[in-house]
Amino acid sequence: EVYLVESGGGLVQPGRSLGLSCAASGFNSADYIMNWVRQAPGRGLEWIGFIRSKADRSTTAYAASVNGRFTISRDDSNNIAHLQMNSLKTEDTGVYYCFRGHYSSTWGQGTLVTVSS
Amino acid sequence: DIQVTQSPSTLSASVGDRVTITCRASQSISNYLAWYQQKPGKAPKLLIYDASSLEGGIPSRFSGSGSGTEFTLSVTSLQPDDFATYYCQQYSSYSPWTFGQGTKVEIK
Repeated sequence: EVYLVESGGGLVQPGRSLGLSCAASGFNSADYIMNWVRQAPGRGLEWIGFIRSKADRSTTAYAASVNGRFTISRDDSNNIAHLQMNSLKTEDTGVYYCFRGHYSSTWGQGTLVTVSS
Repeated sequence: DIQVTQSPSTLSASVGDRVTITCRASQSISNYLAWYQQKPGKAPKLLIYDASSLEGGIPSRFSGSGSGTEFTLSVTSLQPDDFATYYCQQYSSYSPWTFGQGTKVEIK
């Protein structure tokens, strides 16, 4: 069965950095685009970015709201996708999810990031 | 970047009603659109992909249609479990991807 588990969330001060991980099991994540999505409290879903497969040269794309601050990478040997978040702002607070592919029936449980002083 | 405008933002309906939600893309996305259902505190659940393909295990009262820039999600005979928030997501190859703003379906 396919599973995704996000981890690394927590409380962080504005301007600081935080790294999240998305651990995949039940499939070879190396074959898939891996996405990150977030949801601020009481708000809608916001697609953050993706990293294509190694076969597609692991190219990335990001939403304008995080471009230049967030970086997605992948560790295919361990079936993990990473989200490095720098220069965090209070508006980056929310639950962060990962999913595979262009659309997905498989999502993790999310990890909560709180940016606050 | 391609923007997706979803409407209405809130929809009041009764059990047994037929409801329709619309997503409009700022430029053509062919049929690269998915629909999700989300309940509070839960991850989104995929309903429809490629604009009109029903995900396995999803009841047939859910259907999607459209192509290009205009898309709809319809639910015939709304059931108590269907009261939730619905999102569209575009995944065009030529743009960063985006979600619609969401439609909350609430009990009238």
